[in-house]
Amino acid sequence: NAGVTQTPKFQVLKTGQSMTLQCAQDMNHEYMSWYRQDPGMGLRLIHYSVGAGITDQGEVPNGYNVSRSTTEDFPLRLLSAAPSQTSVYFCASSKPGQTYEQYFGPGTRLTVT
Amino acid sequence: GDSVTQMEGPVTLSEEAFLTINCTYTATGYPSLFWYVQYPGEGLQLLLKATKADDKGSNKGFEATYRKETTSFHLEKGSVQVSDSAVYFCALSDAPSGGYQKVTFGIGTKLQVIP
Repeated sequence: NAGVTQTPKFQVLKTGQSMTLQCAQDMNHEYMSWYRQDPGMGLRLIHYSVGAGITDQGEVPNGYNVSRSTTEDFPLRLLSAAPSQTSVYFCASSKPGQTYEQYFGPGTRLTVT
Repeated sequence: GDSVTQMEGPVTLSEEAFLTINCTYTATGYPSLFWYVQYPGEGLQLLLKATKADDKGSNKGFEATYRKETTSFHLEKGSVQVSDSAVYFCALSDAPSGGYQKVTFGIGTKLQVIP
C-alpha cells in the first residue's frame, strides 16, 4: 500500500495564480482532511470530508476549495494564491470513529511570491 | 475552545539522556490525548495515545500519562537516540461521537539528539 500520497512536493506560485494540490489514499478510509503547517502555529484544519460528495470547513477555509468525487481522492484548490498561503500542506485520512489516528501524506511545500 | 500548549524548542540532548516534553491542555468534556511525531521530510505519525484519566500511553520507549488534575500529558523517554530527532506534537480530540472529531494540535517541539 502506498498510504497517502501528495503531489507536487514543492511548488512556487505568483500572487493571483491558481493551482490544485493532489491527495490520494489507498486504504479505503472514509474520512480525509487537509491541514496547513506554519511555524509557531502547529497544524490547522482547512477542510475535511466524511465521504464521497460530503465536505465541510475547518478552522481556516478561506481561499481554498475542496471536492470529493471518489473515496480515494481529495484535491485542494487555491483559487487566487496569496503570500499568506505560503505554508506546508498536509493531507490525511482516517477511519470513522478513529479520526484521531490520522495517516498523513508527506506534504506539499508551497511558496507564493 | 480546545487548546494545547507545548514549548517550541528546539530541545537539544545528548544520546542516552532522559527526555521530557511538557504538554498541557484546555478542553471541555473529557478529551482523548495523543502524541504525534514528524520525522524530517515526512508527515506526522501517531506515536501514542490515552483515552481517559490516568491512562498511560506507550510506544517505542516513549510514555505519557493522562493527568486530569493537572491537565497535562507530558512525553518522556528514558534514553534518547539520534534516530529520535524529530518534531513532537501533542494533540487532543473530543470523545468519539460517531462523526468527524477534530484534532487540535500543539505547535510542535523540535528535538535534536547529538551523538
